[in-house]
This record gives sequence, structure tokens and C-alpha cells, in this order.
Amino acid sequence: AQSVTQLGSHVSVSEGALVLLRCNYSSSVPPYLFWYVQYPNQGLQLLLKYTSAATLVKGINGFEAEFKKSETSFHLTKPSAHMSDAAEYFCAVSPLSGSARQLTFGSGTQLTVLP
Amino acid sequence: ETGVTQTPRHLVMGMTNKKSLKCEQHLGHNAMYWYKQSAKKPLELMFVYSLEERVENNSVPSRFSPECPNSSHLFLHLHTLQPEDSALYLCASSQAGRDTQYFGPGTRLTVL
Repeated sequence: AQSVTQLGSHVSVSEGALVLLRCNYSSSVPPYLFWYVQYPNQGLQLLLKYTSAATLVKGINGFEAEFKKSETSFHLTKPSAHMSDAAEYFCAVSPLSGSARQLTFGSGTQLTVLP
Repeated sequence: ETGVTQTPRHLVMGMTNKKSLKCEQHLGHNAMYWYKQSAKKPLELMFVYSLEERVENNSVPSRFSPECPNSSHLFLHLHTLQPEDSALYLCASSQAGRDTQYFGPGTRLTVL
């Protein structure tokens, strides 16, 4: 079975500082990996995804993530935080095949950006 | 309308009521999903419809009943719910066999 662990349910950074949100996965084979963002009272929006191509994945809003098989990690980073980045971030994993790709989500990390 | 829409956005119901949540996708997808998002818990996949195949999470109580009349519409029928069923219910869609799911804004359900 696949699972995802997000370290830190709450992360606070100052505006302009580096954002680092941690995600580790457990899977018998390297899966597909995703980061989603959820703003208050909204659904989930895809930030970026890893699908076994380049290990460094660039997403929207200046975010990127690096797949590290040896560490079973897929951490999300952004060089400089903006106030508008305050939201909840979810890491998710899905299998490589199947008509219905069942996403397994982590518990989420609430990002607060301080002025 | 574009993307994935859900109605209603907010719903308050008593434990003896029957109500339905509606989801519609305008993306030409052929797989649709219901998720439950409770406070302090990871998103939980409830049901999947893909290419007319239905997959369900065995832990979902029978008081939740999905219906997918076509590839664009998905319903979640609710009856005799419990207060612990209060949550945000999210609908998503994808192209069957593809990895990316697109989410609607959710229905905030409160059971009194």
C-alpha cells in the first residue's frame, strides 16, 4: 500500500524567506507524486506533479519539488515566500497504472506567511 | 461554466433528512471521484467512477450513496447522516488512466 507523510502540520515563514514543505512517501515502486494547494473555502489546485520524467519539477506560482528516490522524498520549495502563498498544501501519491488513479493524500501542511 | 462545479456550496441538514450533492465536470473527462475532507484528517477517497466501473472505499457507511448517470455528472445521495459526517465533500474528475485530477470547490456539509 502507498502512503504519504507530511512533516509539520504548520509551517510559518517570513515574507521573502525560503519555503520548504516536507513530504515522504512509502511505496514498493516509485509512484506518481503530486503537490496540491487549497486556499480557504476552495477546492484543491494542482501545483506540480512528478511522473518519472525529470526529478526536478517546476510548478505554478514559483514552486518546485525534487524527487529523491534514495530518500523517498518529494519536498516542495519556493525561494521567496509571498503573502498570497498562505494556504494549506497537500502531498499525494498515486499508482502508475489503472483507469481510476486513486490518490492517497498526506495530512496537509498549513503555511503561514508573516509580514 | 468551466472546470468542475459543485452544488450546493453549503448544506445544513438534520439527521433525518435526505439530500443530494451534485458535481458536474466540463472538461470532457470520463472518471469522477468523491472525497471527504474532515478537520485534522487526510482527504479520504469515498467513491470512484471510471469507464463505467465503480470503486468504493469499504469504510464508507451505506448512508452515503453515489450515482453517476453519465461521464459529466456525479451525485452523492445522503440519508440519516450523523454529526460526524460534517465535512467538506470534494468532487474531482480526470481522464481515465491519466494521473491528474481536477477538483471542484467542495460542498461544506453540516449535520445537526
